[in-house]
Formats: sequence, structure tokens, C-alpha cells
Amino acid sequence: QSALTQPASVSGSPGQSITISCTGTSSDVGGYNYVSWYQQHPGKAPKLMIYEVSNRPSGVPDRFSGSKSGNTASLTISGLQAEDEADYYCSSYTSSSTLGVVFGGGTKLTVL
Amino acid sequence: EVQLVESGGGLVQPGRSLRLSCAASGFTFDDYAMHWVRQAPGKGLEWVSGISWNSGSIGYADSVKGRFTISRDNAKNSLYLQMNSLRAEDTALYYCAKGMGFGEFDYWGQGTLVTVSS
Repeated sequence: QSALTQPASVSGSPGQSITISCTGTSSDVGGYNYVSWYQQHPGKAPKLMIYEVSNRPSGVPDRFSGSKSGNTASLTISGLQAEDEADYYCSSYTSSSTLGVVFGGGTKLTVL
Repeated sequence: EVQLVESGGGLVQPGRSLRLSCAASGFTFDDYAMHWVRQAPGKGLEWVSGISWNSGSIGYADSVKGRFTISRDNAKNSLYLQMNSLRAEDTALYYCAKGMGFGEFDYWGQGTLVTVSS
């Protein structure tokens, strides 16, 4: 159950776009379309932002989008806003365990 | 409104046990898988365990297999995590999370803190 690989940090200016990558294996990201992304502000619980690779829950701005190619998933945030500054985690269903889930190590997004 | 409220955390000595609970409301509890996810201080998220709607499927992370037991009581809309043989590395904020699809979580509680220390 190795963690998915994310960059430790990314940054961008307000109005710009950023992309966070999430690399796994064929046993998780590459094998299933059950990749999700979570936003976590300091001291708060994680919030679902993207599920099933590219779907947005109700209430999540369409500035947030997800995609996948092979074993790598990506989260793109366009039109960066100050409130987007947070930690972002990817996760994927994994066949290595019943009902198994593996998370990425997290990416700190700084809005300059 | 979906609510998940964890309880049962606290300070415990290494080797001892603790039982966490999660009270769910605002949705049909027995329609969904439920999970425990933890976050060590200053660290990332780690999936701990999951249980299907009818307890027919249960899974654990390798790091807790054989020590932790997940269970649920659909009549009480409650999820549990029995943690035995606790280690310092189990120190974390433990979140209860509602499952959707496969391995995705659409609602999270606020967490209960478990500290394992002598």
C-alpha cells in the first residue's frame, strides 16, 4: 500500500492556473477510474473536490477540474483565488486491499 | 444535513486499547460503506479501514491489520474502531468518512485525537 506521489508544493498568482499531479500504479490510479481529490484548510476536515477522476460534487466551483492519463491523475485549478490556498490530497481505490484506498502525500498550494 | 461526529479519542499508553465511535445522521446510514482515515500531526492522510453497508466486506491498511477492528451498528447509525496494541505511531487525528463509489469519501467528521504515549 505505497502512497501515491504528489509534489510537495506548488504556487501561483491570483488568476493563474496550476496543476497538481498524482502518480500511482496500474493497481490503483491506472487501473480504476476512482481517483478523487480533497482540499484541506488548516485545522479543518478534508473536503471532496473531485471524484471519479473528473466529476465535481455540487457546490464545488468549475475552476476545479480533474483528469487522468495512464498511472497519473491531475488536478487543475484555474483562475486561482486566495481561498484556494490549502493542502490538496489525491486518493485512489486500490486492489491491494478489500475496500482499499491509497492517498497521495499531499501538496501545499500557495497563492502568491 | 449529513453529520458525522467522532468520539472516544484520548491519551493512552503504548500497548493499551481504545474504542472510537462515529455517530452518523442526515443520510440513510445502512446504504453506504464507511471508513476511518487518520492524519498524524503535521502529516498527510492515511486510510485505516473500511466496512461495507452490511459489514460483508471489511478492509484494513497493512499498518493496522491484526490490531484494529472496524464494525458498525446500522440500528444505531454508528461506526466503530476498536484499536488494540496501540503504538506511538498510531498517534493521529482519526476521521470517520462516508463512502461513495469505490474508495471515495463525500463527507467527513471533524475527527477525534488519539495520542499514544507513556
